[in-house]
Amino acid sequence: DSGVTQTPKHLITATGQRVTLRCSPRSGDLSVYWYQQSLDQGLQFLIQYYNGEERAKGNILERFSAQQFPDLHSELNLSSLELGDSALYFCASSTSMTATNEKLFFGSGTQLSVL
Amino acid sequence: AQKVTQAQTEISVVEKEDVTLDCVYETRDTTYYLFWYKQPPSGELVFLIRRNSFDEQNEISGRYSWNFQKSTSSFNFTITASQVVDSAVYFCALRNSGNTPLVFGKGTRLSVIA
Repeated sequence: DSGVTQTPKHLITATGQRVTLRCSPRSGDLSVYWYQQSLDQGLQFLIQYYNGEERAKGNILERFSAQQFPDLHSELNLSSLELGDSALYFCASSTSMTATNEKLFFGSGTQLSVL
Repeated sequence: AQKVTQAQTEISVVEKEDVTLDCVYETRDTTYYLFWYKQPPSGELVFLIRRNSFDEQNEISGRYSWNFQKSTSSFNFTITASQVVDSAVYFCALRNSGNTPLVFGKGTRLSVIA
């Protein structure tokens, strides 16, 4: 068990809808990262938050947004969903903001299916 | 720019065989870190190893070993005497210095058959 909790584990919704994925990092970790895993694109970095502030942005669509709350949990909001958004969404956490050598601890992911 | 290539999409071996998973990376940085993660059928990504760009020593951990060669920009992973429990998708990843994201290869799916 990595200590990173993601809910829900599975989410089935329809095109055009909006969903929220939730992540609780390991106790003491201030950095939260979101990744999207799809068959064609592999694991793609979406966004990073550190102690409530956005720190780095990857290939995140404008329809997607995220935030990190004072209790350090994070939410990834996906709106105007399309079939192509179906993927496994991972949250990961680490202690520091920029420690390059620091390993990330991953949650078990949220499997999103857009029908 | 950072890039990680895992040319082997799928590998299938019989139990007790040795298997090597290849990883080739590209970066312009002189300081960087390489990682291997395992994704078992349960889905969670599990950290296996981290290696920095200044440490080319190979590492062995039980049946696992890693061969880092800067000259060929490779960081290969060998499982000796494979077991069914080794069946998983294995990801190689690279992170440059500074606040850059961890970049993953597309993964190699390893199936170990009893």
